[in-house]
Amino acid sequence: QKEVEQNSGPLSVPEGAIASLNCTYSDRGSQSFFWYRQYSGKSPELIMSIYSNGDKEDGRFTAQLNKASQYVSLLIRDSQPSDSATYLCAVKGNNDMRFGAGTRLTVKP
Amino acid sequence: DAGVTQSPTHLIKTRGQHVTLRCSPISGHKSVSWYQQVLGQGPQFIFQYYEKEERGRGNFPDRFSARQFPNYSSELNVNALLLGDSALYLCASSLDGSSYEQYFGPGTRLTVT
Repeated sequence: QKEVEQNSGPLSVPEGAIASLNCTYSDRGSQSFFWYRQYSGKSPELIMSIYSNGDKEDGRFTAQLNKASQYVSLLIRDSQPSDSATYLCAVKGNNDMRFGAGTRLTVKP
Repeated sequence: DAGVTQSPTHLIKTRGQHVTLRCSPISGHKSVSWYQQVLGQGPQFIFQYYEKEERGRGNFPDRFSARQFPNYSSELNVNALLLGDSALYLCASSLDGSSYEQYFGPGTRLTVT
């Protein structure tokens, strides 16, 4: 079992729709969770961090955390073609940061 | 403000050679982490340094080593290069050893032939 799992996609949504990206993790002791966006050929860019159960909103982005279910999600409202990228879920371990393989999102005009 | 900088941008090496990659963190950040990313996968943690001390090490062979300098810049060294070392090497900086929000540099694309 991978430590951080994401659906590789591709996930395709129409412009203006809500994109939902999911991530599960295996280390029940993890306390810090992050979402990164990575455009093709570029480096990852930090979008959101979340540390407590529940929702955290930042503009069009909402991160959701459920530690009991070991589940993190990212919702993108009013999706735009410029949101087309790979979204990486990251979980802080004891002395490292563990990334999922990413979900490729395509927003169609 | 300048973000994380890395050099060189691209590098081509031959099997068995040695390579040194360099990273300068965001001004005011004291922690640097190194990652390896191969196509289609997420970044894989190699090292974290804070205040010149190693804070974490990933599951990489001893051919990989790193250090951090008094100005918080860092070097990643890889000896006896293998074809499988071909990847994008990413440096990320964070404020300190307990801040987990990391900001990535543009990366160094290493090709081993």
